[in-house]
Amino acid sequence: SQTIHQWPATLVQPVGSPLSLECTVEGTSNPNLYWYRQAAGRGLQLLFYSVGIGQISSEVPQNLSASRPQDRQFILSSKKLLLSDSGFYLCAWSEGNDEKLFFGSGTQLSVL
Amino acid sequence: DAKTTQPPSMDCAEGRAANLPCNHSTISGNEYVYWYRQIHSQGPQYIIHGLKNNETNEMASLIITEDRKSSTLILPHATLRDTAVYYCIVLVSGGYNKLIFGAGTRLAVHP
Repeated sequence: SQTIHQWPATLVQPVGSPLSLECTVEGTSNPNLYWYRQAAGRGLQLLFYSVGIGQISSEVPQNLSASRPQDRQFILSSKKLLLSDSGFYLCAWSEGNDEKLFFGSGTQLSVL
Repeated sequence: DAKTTQPPSMDCAEGRAANLPCNHSTISGNEYVYWYRQIHSQGPQYIIHGLKNNETNEMASLIITEDRKSSTLILPHATLRDTAVYYCIVLVSGGYNKLIFGAGTRLAVHP
């Protein structure tokens, strides 16, 4: 069966520090991969999606970047975190033309 | 993608049916209706989806009106664990999936 791993679960970082969040998917090949962010008490915002290795599309301009170095690995990064980067970050995957998204357990990021 | 409108919050007694409405009056003929839910501090969970026929699975039932301008998610016997934010989303089938989540409905199930 397919599983998605996302880590760490919580992270506290100072302003200006770098960020790297990792997401991996098991049990499937060539998944579509997504990064979402949810600010406190708000809805989910799509940040990035990827349909293949090295193929990244950004939905909103921001201080973050994404990379997909391997088929089932999706990384969210920042060179210098801002206070506004705080939030709940969720990785998700879907198969081919299937519209169902499967989400990871999320990372709660606090930038202080 | 068509936009959806949902009430911000609803209450339901444990053991009763929870009926969550969603308006999608601008839905196109090839757009599906999807429902997800998000329990506090967790990732959203897929519940059910449909095009024009009513659908049922182990989690819920989806009733879509004949004109497809609205739908209702039914949890037949709500439990305390069904307390969550429920999202109604419409999108075109096929290809990668850019799910755009709105504010959803916060369902509170009480004893």
